[in-house]
Amino acid sequence: DGGITQSPKYLFRKEGQNVTLSCEQNLNHDAMYWYRQDPGQGLRLIYYSQIVNDFQKGDIAEGYSVSREKKESFPLTVTSAQKNPTAFYLCASTPFIGGFADTQYFGPGTRLTVL
Amino acid sequence: AQTVTQSQPEMSVQEAETVTLSCTYDTSESDYYLFWYKQPPSRQMILVIRQEAYKQQNATENRFSVNFQKAAKSFSLKISDSQLGDAAMYFCAYRSAAGKSTFGDGTTLTVKP
Repeated sequence: DGGITQSPKYLFRKEGQNVTLSCEQNLNHDAMYWYRQDPGQGLRLIYYSQIVNDFQKGDIAEGYSVSREKKESFPLTVTSAQKNPTAFYLCASTPFIGGFADTQYFGPGTRLTVL
Repeated sequence: AQTVTQSQPEMSVQEAETVTLSCTYDTSESDYYLFWYKQPPSRQMILVIRQEAYKQQNATENRFSVNFQKAAKSFSLKISDSQLGDAAMYFCAYRSAAGKSTFGDGTTLTVKP
């Protein structure tokens, strides 16, 4: 089945540690996104990528980094510079058709907790 | 920057009745896309309906329909014949033609049997 996988489902981290969240898709989509969701709030865009080896900052990129070495993979690293990293993280993808008009497909999410 | 406002943090509806969720947005762009997503307790985001701004006709998907008022920058979602499975958090989302998405803070919908 085609889809987006995120791992792990739950992740715990000590303060001061970097941690990497995985996002893989087998939909052959060109564009991929990372969002953060805090309780009672909507999704906020962290980074997005239109093609391999290229990505753009979203609204809350500070303290995060990404890479796009392969079309199917878009890992997100939460660095120690992120002051409040505890949140739910969602990865999404879209086929690249014109101006990003197509539907975003979402992964199941990763819940990150800083201890 | 674009903003999306959902003015109803919570809504409730009786099973089989109709409910409307509100969404307004602010943008200076003329070409964009609007979406409603559903997030059940599993937290999986599910697309409910989408609307291209250049289309005047309101989108419809089975029991779900929108009232898109471009001049007023309003994009409400109507759910007809509400079912228990419709209970979830609903998010309105704006996506620019360049691909950047902005989400509202969501409306929690409760369906009463």
